Amino acid sequence: EPEVTQTPSHQVTQMGQEVILRCVPISNHLYFYWYRQILGQKVEFLVSFYNNEISEKSEIFDDQFSVERPDGSNFTLKIRSTKLEDSAMYFCASRATSAYEQYFGPGTRLTVT
Amino acid sequence: QKEVEQNSGPLSVPEGAIASLNCTYSDRGSQSFFWYRQYSGKSPELIMFIYSNGDKEDGRFTAQLNKASQYVSLLIRDSQPSDSATYLCAGGRDSWGKLQFGAGTQVVVTP
Repeated sequence: EPEVTQTPSHQVTQMGQEVILRCVPISNHLYFYWYRQILGQKVEFLVSFYNNEISEKSEIFDDQFSVERPDGSNFTLKIRSTKLEDSAMYFCASRATSAYEQYFGPGTRLTVT
Repeated sequence: QKEVEQNSGPLSVPEGAIASLNCTYSDRGSQSFFWYRQYSGKSPELIMFIYSNGDKEDGRFTAQLNKASQYVSLLIRDSQPSDSATYLCAGGRDSWGKLQFGAGTQVVVTP
């Protein structure tokens, strides 16, 4: 069964450093999402992406964040200058054009020290 | 702020019994609703979704939606210890947009 994959599974970085989180959505899916979940809190929407552009973004997704689909398979989330409060699980999700369901990847645990 | 509310639990359910989980939402523009299961330290796993008023059954799971009351529920029949997890309710305004999640209900199935 096709799955969303994410790398790395765990990233440790120092405050102020740039990180890139990578996702490979399910191959025939065209809608992509990033969510995050701070430990013990709700899953929060960050951004949605379709047709090579951002469809919607939340208040969390400020100028420090960017997304890119650098090729036909990868979807990345970049945080330019990480803060302590960026420590969270980051989930990528994808959805097929004709469907409602969003399927989540296993997540990247980001720890900012 | 549009919210999706869930009772945090834990909801303790004997093995073989029915677990009943509830969710309310404040955004009347929400059209579709999803139930995800999340094991500790893992990602949300889709169980089922519903977008029409009424019931929808899938195996041991039944989702119920009442848009007039802004209420969604999930029933888990014949609960198994492997059903012990946090169940997340999420709503979406349209088929392509973001999902807004509740905080989740922890279910503990006791043998």
